[in-house]
Amino acid sequence: GAGVSQSPSNKVTEKGKDVELRCDPISGHTALYWYRQRLGQGLEFLIYFQGNSAPDKSGLPSDRFSAERTGESVSTLTIQRTQQEDSAVYLCASTRVGGSTGELFFGEGSRLTVL
Amino acid sequence: GNSVTQMEGPVTLSEEAFLTINCTYTATGYPSLFWYVQYPGEGLQLLLKATKADDKGSNKGFEATYRKETTSFHLEKGSVQVSDSAVYFCALSATSGTYKYIFGTGTRLKVLA
Repeated sequence: GAGVSQSPSNKVTEKGKDVELRCDPISGHTALYWYRQRLGQGLEFLIYFQGNSAPDKSGLPSDRFSAERTGESVSTLTIQRTQQEDSAVYLCASTRVGGSTGELFFGEGSRLTVL
Repeated sequence: GNSVTQMEGPVTLSEEAFLTINCTYTATGYPSLFWYVQYPGEGLQLLLKATKADDKGSNKGFEATYRKETTSFHLEKGSVQVSDSAVYFCALSATSGTYKYIFGTGTRLKVLA
């Protein structure tokens, strides 16, 4: 597709279950970012990929969170043993180069609700 | 560390009113500065950017000037329209290190006809 695609758009799960969120970046974009947006709050950085390596995982809030990327394409964010505080919109963004002056292209997000 | 602070919303204006949304930042080095906009039901998209001090970014009638002396990047528009109703995010990115983009909390703008 022409833009960043995320799935599912909405996910409701029970506390303790694992969830997997998927991001399909724009073709040719080498850098990929995951952010979390809690209700009424800003975007919280989670992880950054350059190609399929993750030079910065500093934002992952706990060891229940992990992410991987296949080559320079799809990325998955996995949350194990979900907790209610994990409820948020998870946003993925990609950009062509790994530098800091390029525009980020965002997906529409995956809204996660943990009951 | 790097951070972005922007004015809290919501901001409610009448059509054709003047808009200012304040944004200040804290950063080491010389970051690039951005405004992103999120229209209802859509993803965030870049509105404008500035990559060095005194640069002015502009798009769709919106402007923001990179002021290093006041560490600010305030968003302005002379005459807002109903279609400008959205959430606006100020952001910065470091010029070194791990290319982490830092976003503000967002300011919701509602424009009434």
